Amino acid sequence: NSKVIQTPRYLVKGQGQKAKMRCIPEKGHPVVFWYQQNKNNEFKFLINFQNQEVLQQIDMTEKRFSAECPSNSPCSLEIQSSEAGDSALYLCASSLSWASAETLYFGSGTRLTVL
Amino acid sequence: GEQVEQRPPHLSVREGDSAIIICTYTDSATAYFSWYKQEAGAGLQLLMSVLSNVDRKEEQGLTVLLNKKDKRLSLNLTAAHPGDSAVYFCAVRTTGFASALTFGSGTKVIVLP
Repeated sequence: NSKVIQTPRYLVKGQGQKAKMRCIPEKGHPVVFWYQQNKNNEFKFLINFQNQEVLQQIDMTEKRFSAECPSNSPCSLEIQSSEAGDSALYLCASSLSWASAETLYFGSGTRLTVL
Repeated sequence: GEQVEQRPPHLSVREGDSAIIICTYTDSATAYFSWYKQEAGAGLQLLMSVLSNVDRKEEQGLTVLLNKKDKRLSLNLTAAHPGDSAVYFCAVRTTGFASALTFGSGTKVIVLP
């Protein structure tokens, strides 16, 4: 069973508000991924980290999203100004390394609703 | 980029019967293959993962088959039970530094008693 912990489980925000969610990766996992799953079950990769360093991120993440994985603190993903289209399940996953053969373990997600 | 197609989108089976879900992918550099289960309102639970050097893997009532020639990955749930009712996703990765998973569109499985 995955030990990736995501909080909060549910998040409700108005348009234009900030939305922040957190992720504690599995112990000993330095690599963290964030994905967005929309209501049509489409997954979008947002950003990934190795320890505190961003490895890859998509354009959307660069502009309205900010994310970090500080040492000795939970990773976080924050939407600076929420839009209705941001309503989705945000999934955090961690792995032992960045190698493509490495398994990703997912948390339970944060379900964001933007009113 | 990688394209993954998953079918069927919906699957109803009787308890004790088998269910098969198939994914096809396009990128010949795909090296990692996995199946996840998502129950209502929950996150993704890893069921099984295989690398490209594996053709078949069985674990706890699940069988994963990989046909690299046809670029096809399948999940067989043998002897399904009501607890198997969920949405199942295949997810693959190509070789490369920190490559992201590409997911299938999901199969909603309902196991009828």
